[in-house]
Amino acid sequence: NAGVTQTPKFQVLKTGQSMTLQCAQDMNHNSMYWYRQDPGMGLRLIYYSASEGTTDKGEVPNGYNVSRLNKREFSLRLESAAPSQTSVYFCATLRGQGKSEAFFGQGTRLTVV
Amino acid sequence: AQSVTQPDIHITVSEGASLELRCNYSYGATPYLFWYVQSPGQGLQLLLKYFSGDTLVQGIKGFEAEFKRSQSSFNLRKPSVHWSDAAEYFCAVCPYNAGNMLTFGGGTRLMVKP
Repeated sequence: NAGVTQTPKFQVLKTGQSMTLQCAQDMNHNSMYWYRQDPGMGLRLIYYSASEGTTDKGEVPNGYNVSRLNKREFSLRLESAAPSQTSVYFCATLRGQGKSEAFFGQGTRLTVV
Repeated sequence: AQSVTQPDIHITVSEGASLELRCNYSYGATPYLFWYVQSPGQGLQLLLKYFSGDTLVQGIKGFEAEFKRSQSSFNLRKPSVHWSDAAEYFCAVCPYNAGNMLTFGGGTRLMVKP
């Protein structure tokens, strides 16, 4: 029972390169989220998908795009990476309504040089 | 603007001492409220949550939190801290009936002195 799986775990990009962070869950949860974590800034919501087929912007969506491929998968794409996007990225899921517990992946540490 | 704030970035307490971590929110209606803990290099784990009813909620690892509507606060407490409680703690909110937008505060890093 893997829960929430993020790939890759580590990545180094050059400025201007693109990449996609993958998130897959086997918990049959409806909602999925992408956060970035930076020192002193907590977790900031980038995008979320309340259900399959919908996506919404969070607090810091600029420079990112997302795809809710199906109920299991929610990917985050950086089209042209910038050093300001150096961060740890977390995917999370929520089963139903907002009062449910969120479950997190182990994170992706991304460095943009 | 809607927000959730943790005023203390770092807190240091002695082992065995009591702990209170502050969380304030600014939303039109009381949102769903949560506390999560992140140990070094790990993901986040739910400590406790509040939706309605009794304003004092109990969580795992001996933590509790008190909801105060008049102060828009949801502070986390523990009577006696253990060295293993050293971690980063996040308050989180999810507005009621607002599409499951789960938002976190900036976090409080707890250090425990022996």
